[in-house]
Amino acid sequence: EAGVVQSPRYKIIEKKQPVAFWCNPISGHNTLYWYLQNLGQGPELLIRYENEEAVDDSQLPKDRFSAERLKGVDSTLKIQPAELGDSAVYLCASSLTGGAPGQETQYFGPGTRLLVL
Amino acid sequence: AQSVTQLGSHVSVSEGALVLLRCNYSSSVPPYLFWYVQYPNQGLQLLLKYTTGATLVKGINGFEAEFKKSETSFHLTKPSAHMSDAAEYFCAVSDRGKIGGFKTIFGAGTRLFVKA
Repeated sequence: EAGVVQSPRYKIIEKKQPVAFWCNPISGHNTLYWYLQNLGQGPELLIRYENEEAVDDSQLPKDRFSAERLKGVDSTLKIQPAELGDSAVYLCASSLTGGAPGQETQYFGPGTRLLVL
Repeated sequence: AQSVTQLGSHVSVSEGALVLLRCNYSSSVPPYLFWYVQYPNQGLQLLLKYTTGATLVKGINGFEAEFKKSETSFHLTKPSAHMSDAAEYFCAVSDRGKIGGFKTIFGAGTRLFVKA
């Protein structure tokens, strides 16, 4: 069974340029997460989708970040314009939500490592 | 609000020695607790989780953790370290089914070094 797929794995851009990351979750998983991971830190949630609905985007910097999950499957995270401080690893995860929420195992992709110059 | 504290950003053990990675949490409601492992250039992988029931939880690769409510701890242990255990370990806490959803908070991580 394929895991969570992310692309690209690495991206180098100049500041003020736009960038987009793509995530394909595990088949059948209805919940999708985007996390930001800075060097030496744990993941921090940017946005969580349940199917097509963004149910928690409270930590997403909406002035420059946007996300979408069309048809409740794949998702794209965009930054426009990118800033130097956006350099980090962007992780996508998915889970199958059922029963008591919060106890699901999250399955992570390998991440996209972004470097903004 | 929930929080997770992992004591020690780096832990070094000899091969065959006991591994102990510490995690303390705060939560206003009984939490779900997780340990994830991250190998270089990879995503996080679940080692084990506590949801309900037995407080001693066994996971993959010989790891286990014990939920101690009185100490608000969920320390991760392994009796005998192997070279392949060298990785970054993250403790996480999730609240239980709050109306409107839930949040999972990750600790800052502990990097485990295993010496030959």
